[in-house]
This record gives sequence, structure tokens and C-alpha cells, in this order.
Amino acid sequence: AQRVTQPEKLLSVFKGAPVELKCNYSYSGSPELFWYVQYSRQRLQLLLRHISRESIKGFTADLNKGETSFHLKKPFAQEEDSAMYYCALKRTSGSRLTFGEGTQLTVNP
Amino acid sequence: GAGVSQSPRYKVAKRGQDVALRCDPISGHVSLFWYQQALGQGPEFLTYFQNEAQLDKSGLPSDRFFAERPEGSVSTLKIQRTQQEDSAVYLCASSFRDLGDSPLHFGNGTRLTVT
Repeated sequence: AQRVTQPEKLLSVFKGAPVELKCNYSYSGSPELFWYVQYSRQRLQLLLRHISRESIKGFTADLNKGETSFHLKKPFAQEEDSAMYYCALKRTSGSRLTFGEGTQLTVNP
Repeated sequence: GAGVSQSPRYKVAKRGQDVALRCDPISGHVSLFWYQQALGQGPEFLTYFQNEAQLDKSGLPSDRFFAERPEGSVSTLKIQRTQQEDSAVYLCASSFRDLGDSPLHFGNGTRLTVT
């Protein structure tokens, strides 16, 4: 069975500092990885997916199959980045997403 | 509508009562998912529909949970004889096609509290 682990429940940085939210997964096949974000009082929404290889709101994430990781990075955090971030995995076959437990990011002024 | 709509937003039920949670997906979205999110946890998959067909219900925790989408649009998640461990936020999400091709759009969820 697949599993997604986000080791940090809470992460706090100062504005302008680099931020990295960790995500590790276990799955024997070729997964598709996603990052979802939930801002305060808003619904869960897609931030980025690994197959798109794009930068959204300054965030990037690279799939490292050797380390089975999909860490989310941003070089200069902004206060508006404060939110709950979930890493999620989709198996090669099937449609369901398996989510990690989430990391609450706080960017302090 | 502008997005996935869920009702009610909040539901308090006494243990043993039956509840029904409604989801209105984005018009034209083929795929519909239900997730359960316990406090401090990530969403956990319950069930998946493609149009009116329930293709995966392996995440439903017991036979007290039942979901339907009879006309391929609105879906209802029913929980019979609610228990305290059913207390959670129930999220509905839809996508235009299969999840691999199009992003998942979530509703605001229904927060169920069983007393």
C-alpha cells in the first residue's frame, strides 16, 4: 500500500527566509505527486503537480525517485504563504489520492 | 455554480442517528470523490464515482457508510447509526475528467459532530 509522510506538523520561518516542506512517500510503482494548500478559511486547492514541472507562487517541487521524496521549496517566503500544506500521491492505476498529514506553515513578519 | 458546494456546512448528530451529506459538484465534472478528514489528519479517501457509477468504495470504513450519485451529478453520503468516531470533516471533490488529466476541486466540507 502507498503511504505519504510529512514529518513536520508545524513549520515557522521569517519573511524572506527560504522554506522547505518535506514530503516522503512509499509506493512500489511510478507515482504522481501533488501539493495541495489550504489558506485560512478557504477550501483545499491544488498548488502544483510534479508532472507539470512548473513554479506556482514561487514554489517548486522536484520528484526524487531515489530518495522517494517530493519536497516543496520556496527561496523567499512571504506572509501570505502561511497555510496548511498537504502532499498527496496518486498511483499509476486508480484515481484516488493518498494524502499526508499536512504541515502548517507560518511565515512571521 | 462557482465551485463544489456541500451542505450542510455543520451537522450535529446524536449517537445512533442517521445523517445525509450532500455534494453539488462543478457542472460537467465527471469524477466525484468523498474524503473524510479527522482533526489534525490529512484527508482520507472514502469513495469515487465516475458519472453515476461508483467505481471504488474501498475506503468506506464500515457498512454504515453509503454513497450514491444516481444521475451523475449531485451525490449524497449517508451514515447510518452514527458513532462518535464518525466525527470529522467530510470533503467532496470533483474533476472534469479522470484525476490524472485534470485537477481536483474541493468543496468547503461538512463538519460532522456526533455527541
